[in-house]
Amino acid sequence: GENVEQHPSTLSVQEGDSAVIKCTYSDSASNYFPWYKQELGKGPQLIIDIRSNVGEKKDQRIAVTLNKTAKHFSLHITETQPEDSAVYFCAASSGVGDAGGTSYGKLTFGQGTILTVHP
Amino acid sequence: GAVVSQHPSRVICKSGTSVKIECRSLDFQATTMFWYRQFPKKSLMLMATSNEGSKATYEQGVEKDKFLINHASLTLSTLTVTSAHPEDSSFYICSARRGAYNEQFFGPGTRLTVL
Repeated sequence: GENVEQHPSTLSVQEGDSAVIKCTYSDSASNYFPWYKQELGKGPQLIIDIRSNVGEKKDQRIAVTLNKTAKHFSLHITETQPEDSAVYFCAASSGVGDAGGTSYGKLTFGQGTILTVHP
Repeated sequence: GAVVSQHPSRVICKSGTSVKIECRSLDFQATTMFWYRQFPKKSLMLMATSNEGSKATYEQGVEKDKFLINHASLTLSTLTVTSAHPEDSSFYICSARRGAYNEQFFGPGTRLTVL
C-alpha cells in the first residue's frame, strides 16, 4: 500500500517568513496530492491540491510543487501570518476506480507538521 | 461550496451504551464517504470507506461489528459505535468525496468520551 512521509514534524517561523513542508510517497500509481490545514478541535480543511499531470499550482500565498520522478511534493507558504499556525497534513491517493477497483479514492496521510508563526 | 457537517460535535456516554454519529454533505452528493479516527497529536487513521447503497469497506484491524456504518443516501452516512468502552474515546471525523475526482471534504469532527 501507499506510504507517505512528511517532514518536518514541527516548524517555527517568524511572521512574514516562508514555510516549506515536504512529503514523499511510495506508490507510483498515486496521482492526487491534497494538503489539509487542521486547527485545534476542528476537522481538516482542504487548502490546495495537485494532480500528477501538473508540476506546480499556486493559490495566493500558497503553492504546491510535485516531482513525480522523485515521488515527492511540497507545500510552500509565503508571507506567513499568525493565523497560518495550525497542523498541516499532506496526503496521496491513487484515484477512483483504480486497478483494484476498491480504493474509492482513499487518502493516505502524512504524519502532520505543526506550524507556528510567531508575530 | 463543499460543506460537510457532523452531528453531534461532542458526546459523553457511559460504558456499554451505543452512540450514533451523523455525517452529511450539505451542498453536494457524495457517493463515497470516509470515516477516520484521530488520536491527540496524531494523524488521521482511516477506519472505513462508506459507499451509498452498499456495505462499508473496513480497514484492517477495525471491528466492523463494533463500528457500524450505514450510507443510506447520497448525502448521509452514519457511524454507530456499539457497546462503547473508554478506549473508544477519540475524535471521529468523516469526509465526503465530491465528483469524479478525489477531492475530499471533511466534517468538523465529533469528540466522543466514554466514561
